[in-house]
This record gives sequence, structure tokens and C-alpha cells, in this order.
Amino acid sequence: RKEVEQDPGPFNVPEGATVAFNCTYSNSASQSFFWYRQDCRKEPKLLMSVYSSGNEDGRFTAQLNRASQYISLLIRDSKLSDSATYLCVVINSGGGADGLTFGKGTHLIIQP
Amino acid sequence: DGGITQSPKYLFRKEGQNVTLSCEQNLNHDAMYWYRQDPGQGLRLIYYSQIVNDFQKGDIAEGYSVSREKKESFPLTVTSAQKNPTAFYLCASSKNTEAFFGQGTRLTVV
Repeated sequence: RKEVEQDPGPFNVPEGATVAFNCTYSNSASQSFFWYRQDCRKEPKLLMSVYSSGNEDGRFTAQLNRASQYISLLIRDSKLSDSATYLCVVINSGGGADGLTFGKGTHLIIQP
Repeated sequence: DGGITQSPKYLFRKEGQNVTLSCEQNLNHDAMYWYRQDPGQGLRLIYYSQIVNDFQKGDIAEGYSVSREKKESFPLTVTSAQKNPTAFYLCASSKNTEAFFGQGTRLTVV
């Protein structure tokens, strides 16, 4: 099975700090990459898509490094409301059981 | 608006009962998936379907069954053979560059 790996954390970060975490993937043919946010006992919700050119949405910046097969998420000026689990999601063109693949998530706790 | 709908949001099952969780999408996605999530754990694949009338077992298919009679619908039945069914169940669909998740169903055995 194609793997997507994330550091589970928890990352304990003071409010206002910058935090970054990565996700590595094993399938070099992986097609599309996303960061999802999951709050406790809720479904994952799309945070942002990830492109080789990098993309930024407010305090969040995502980057794809195809050569090293990882994606990253940077959160600046962290807020208490950023506390959640962040899932790395990969769509693989081959489909099948690996068509949609997840990391186990990185747990982020923003402390006042 | 296109989306994926799971129902019910909460479901209670008695010991020995079969229950069916609904998942419907109007996104014209070919691929649909069912996952189970236990507290503090990642998502584990139960079943997936890449096309109508075809589905395959995932990593933890024992005690579950599915059907895919229509492109839009991929219901999951939790059978009495599933010994520990209490969990959060998530349906997803995907196509090329997009993936959508349902709102989830929290199943509890009483």
C-alpha cells in the first residue's frame, strides 16, 4: 500500500507563534495534495490544496516538494482556534484502495 | 451545490442488529470510500468502489457490507458480525483533483 506519513504530535505551541509540519508520501505518481483540518468528533474539512508553486491563504502557507516527496503546512501568528488535527490527503491517479490516501494526522494544540 | 451527504448523523444499534449508513453524492464522482475512525486514531479503509456495481474490501472489511447500484449512492451495512462497531464512520468520494467528505455518522451500540 502507498503510504502517507505524518508526525502525530501533539505539537504544543504558544499563541502567536509560527508552527510548521510536514507530510511525506511514497507514491511518486501521486496526483493531488491537500491539507484538511479535523476537529474533535467532526468530519475533515478542506483547509487548502497544495501546489508545487506553493500557495498561501492568510496565515496558512502550503508547499509541495515533488523531488523529496513531501508537502508542508506553515501556520503563522497561530490562534487558539487553530487547535485541531491536520490531515495530509493525497489523491493517486492509479485509483483503487490507494486512490485516496491519508496520513494519520498531526495534532496541534495552541496554548494561551 | 454539489456535495456528499451522510445520514444519519447519530445512530444507535442494539446488539445483534444490522444497521445501514447512507452516503449520497451529486458530484459525479466515480470513486467512493468508507472509513472508520476510532478515538485518537487515523482513518481506516473499510470498503471502496471505483465504479457502479463494483466494490472492493479495504483493510477492515470484516463485519461490513456495501453495495453500489447507483453512481450517487454507496450505503454501508454494519452487520451483527462486526464485534466492535461503535465508532465514527466517514464516507468520501474523489475524482482526479478533488475529494469530498460526508459529515460522518457516529454509531453507538447500546
